[in-house]
Formats: sequence, structure tokens, C-alpha cells
Amino acid sequence: GENVEQHPSTLSVQEGDSAVIKCTYSDSASNYFPWYKQELGKRPQLIIDIRSNVGEKKDQRIAVTLNKTAKHFSLHITETQPEDSAVYFCAASRKAAGNKLTFGGGTRVLVKP
Amino acid sequence: DSGVTQTPKHLITATGQRVTLRCSPRSGDLSVYWYQQSLDQGLQFLIQYYNGEERAKGNILERFSAQQFPDLHSELNLSSLELGDSALYFCASTLGGSTDTQYFGPGTRLTVL
Repeated sequence: GENVEQHPSTLSVQEGDSAVIKCTYSDSASNYFPWYKQELGKRPQLIIDIRSNVGEKKDQRIAVTLNKTAKHFSLHITETQPEDSAVYFCAASRKAAGNKLTFGGGTRVLVKP
Repeated sequence: DSGVTQTPKHLITATGQRVTLRCSPRSGDLSVYWYQQSLDQGLQFLIQYYNGEERAKGNILERFSAQQFPDLHSELNLSSLELGDSALYFCASTLGGSTDTQYFGPGTRLTVL
């Protein structure tokens, strides 16, 4: 089955700096890659997603890039703010497997004011 | 608010007991997914239902079962509970078919003493 690895597990950045989180996946048939933000004890919230027919997608301060050949995708947060502090999860899925999500292990991001 | 509801929010019970977790998907969504989030295992897919039928199964224990009712709400039944079953249980819903974006409910925190 699919395996998703996520790095780093923790990331500390100064407010205003950029943060980058990287994920690799194993199943070349995966075609959907969402990113979720989770605050302590709360639900994972979708912040951005990308499909395999697109190489890059941007939404304000957040961007995601996908390299299908290398089977990796990355989340970029620019101009970080204290409210960006949370745990971020990448995931991968494919329609043939019912679109179930396989998650990476998560990255705890701390933005220091 | 994602539009997905889950009850109860918290559940405290003893080893050996049985509990039922309930999920109501967003209006119009046909597919429900159940995920378990524990400290050591991260977010793991358990099972998916689509319009009343089981569609995909993940790492779900035999002591666990689920169903989706005609009104599309879903229940996850956990029996013979063990300490290691303590976790956050999330459900997510999506329209189904080729639609892959999943929206998560607030979760049920299960504590087994």
C-alpha cells in the first residue's frame, strides 16, 4: 500500500521567515495530495491541495509543489505568523483505492514572534 | 465549521467495554471515512462507506465495526476495548465518486481506563 514520509518532524522559524515541509510517497498511482493543519485537540483542516495534473498551486501565503517523477511534494509558507503554529500533515490518495488518505507523520511548526 | 458533526465529543470508559461513535456527513455527501489518531500511530485510515456500502478497509481491528445508515450517518462500534484504543477518532466526508476532498469532523476523544 501507499506510504507517505514527512520531514522535518519539528520546525521552528522566526516570524516573517518561510517554512518548508517535504513529503515523499511510494505509490506512483496516487493522484491527489492535500495538506491539513491541525491545532491541538482539533480537527485537521484542509489548507491546500494539489492534483497530479498540476505542478504547483498557490493560495496567498501558502504554496504546494508536486514532482511526480520524484514522487515528492512540498508545502511552502511565506511570511510566517504566530497563528501558523500548528501541526501540518501531508497526505496522498488515489481514486482506485476509494480516495482514502494516507498521512505523513506530521510536522510541528512553531513560529516565534 | 466543516459541516461534519460527530458525537460524543468525549468518551471515558473501561477496558472490556463497548462504545458507539456517531458521524453525520456534510449535507449531500455520500461518502464517510473513519480515521484514528493516536500519539504513536499518527492519523490512520480505518474504513470507508459510500452510500451505505463498505468501500475500503484499512488497518481496522476485528473488534471494530462500522456501518452507514440510509440517512447517510455512520456509526463506528468499538468493542472489547483496550487501553491502546484510547485515541481521537475522526470521521470525514466527501461527495464521493471522483470527488476527493475530505472534510473532517471535530472528532471524538476516547479514553479507555
